[in-house]
Amino acid sequence: SAVISQKPSRDICQRGTSLTIQCQVDSQVTMMFWYRQQPGQSLTLIATANQGSEATYESGFVIDKFPISRPNLTFSTLTVSNLSPEDSSIYLCSVEEGTGRLEQYFGPGTRLTVT
Amino acid sequence: GIQVEQSPPDLILQEGANSTLRCNFSDSVNNLQWFHQNPWGQLINLFYIPSGTKQNGRLSATTVATERYSLLYISSSQTTDSGVYFCAVEPNDYKLSFGAGTTVTVRA
Repeated sequence: SAVISQKPSRDICQRGTSLTIQCQVDSQVTMMFWYRQQPGQSLTLIATANQGSEATYESGFVIDKFPISRPNLTFSTLTVSNLSPEDSSIYLCSVEEGTGRLEQYFGPGTRLTVT
Repeated sequence: GIQVEQSPPDLILQEGANSTLRCNFSDSVNNLQWFHQNPWGQLINLFYIPSGTKQNGRLSATTVATERYSLLYISSSQTTDSGVYFCAVEPNDYKLSFGAGTTVTVRA
């Protein structure tokens, strides 16, 4: 399976600032996904990021708050803008791989605390 | 959207015990995965199992797609099995929908 890394692994940010999270994959993948996991909760899909096209956002998530870049087939960034304490969560990227399979693999996550 | 229900929400086991976790889903799916989230937040792939039965060591899983449920079996549990187990399904749009998870605590 693909090896996925995320940077930073954790951060503490002031409200009103922004944090950009990087996701790097060791192989080329078509589809990358960004998820949010609020404290004690399950994972919720933020958006799907495909190379060469705009990200597709899920209901409740908007581009102004969560801008995403996908410059190539191995890299993506998620920015969480205008931070508030409610943005304190783990943010995870995932990729889909496997010929004929739809299995998703996740990065180690970025733990964000907003003070 | 598709609904994913996991039960039980919490499970406390004595080391060496066996257990069954259940995942019900409300519509047909192309993909079903089981994950284990360890205390550091890392999601570990356990099974990719849209149908049928698979085994991996002390873990096994069965998905009955026609009846829209999946079961994860943990045998001879160990303290390292503690964590949250998630079931996630993908209907037909490449998007995984997660259940609320089952928190498993294995006591020595």
